Amino acid sequence: QSVLTQPPSASGTPGQRVTISCSGSNSNIGSNYVYWYQQLPGTAPKVLIYRNNQRPSGVPDRFSNSKSGTSTSLAISGLRSEDEADYYCEAWDDSLSGLIFGGGTKLTVL
Amino acid sequence: QVQLVQSGAAVKKPGASVKVSCKASGYTFTGYYMHWVRQAPGQGLEWMGWINPKSGGTNYAQKFQGRVTMTRDTSISTVYMEVSSLRSDDTAVYYCMVEGNWGQGTLVIVSS
Repeated sequence: QSVLTQPPSASGTPGQRVTISCSGSNSNIGSNYVYWYQQLPGTAPKVLIYRNNQRPSGVPDRFSNSKSGTSTSLAISGLRSEDEADYYCEAWDDSLSGLIFGGGTKLTVL
Repeated sequence: QVQLVQSGAAVKKPGASVKVSCKASGYTFTGYYMHWVRQAPGQGLEWMGWINPKSGGTNYAQKFQGRVTMTRDTSISTVYMEVSSLRSDDTAVYYCMVEGNWGQGTLVIVSS
């Protein structure tokens, strides 16, 4: 059972804005950085957001993150067909002294 | 840029062990914990543990304690992850990861 809670699925049409939520607790999201990953079929996860709201070079600004208390939310604006993928949130957990992941959200572009 | 290159796929019989390597480049190897994460077919990401390349200290997820060993060789900037007493449900892709950067993954199949 994943400690970070994500919806199993999300969907949107091209051009639309979609958000994917991730909720945790004070020992993880509430006190540590959040990361978001995109995983295309058959490939390794790719970081979209690191340290709460930083985008690596090459990640378009259509991807953004907001964090409040023990929850965080990835927003994807101007949805494109190539955004169809699985998305995972991740944070360090002080209680575990390790990482925890969300269960993943499968994004479908209709 | 950070690059993590993992060893190739492996097929093992139940009860055997597997050792996966991860060679790092593009950053200070001893400066960041290296994590291992696995993904069973059709499933999500599961954190297995970390190793501190500087000290060799480790912390394993409770589920894997006693069955997983992480080591490193600082002379070649490489970390290793060994899983023993393999079972069929250990069939998965195993990844090393540091600060959001991932290796390409290593498929381990456990089958008799």
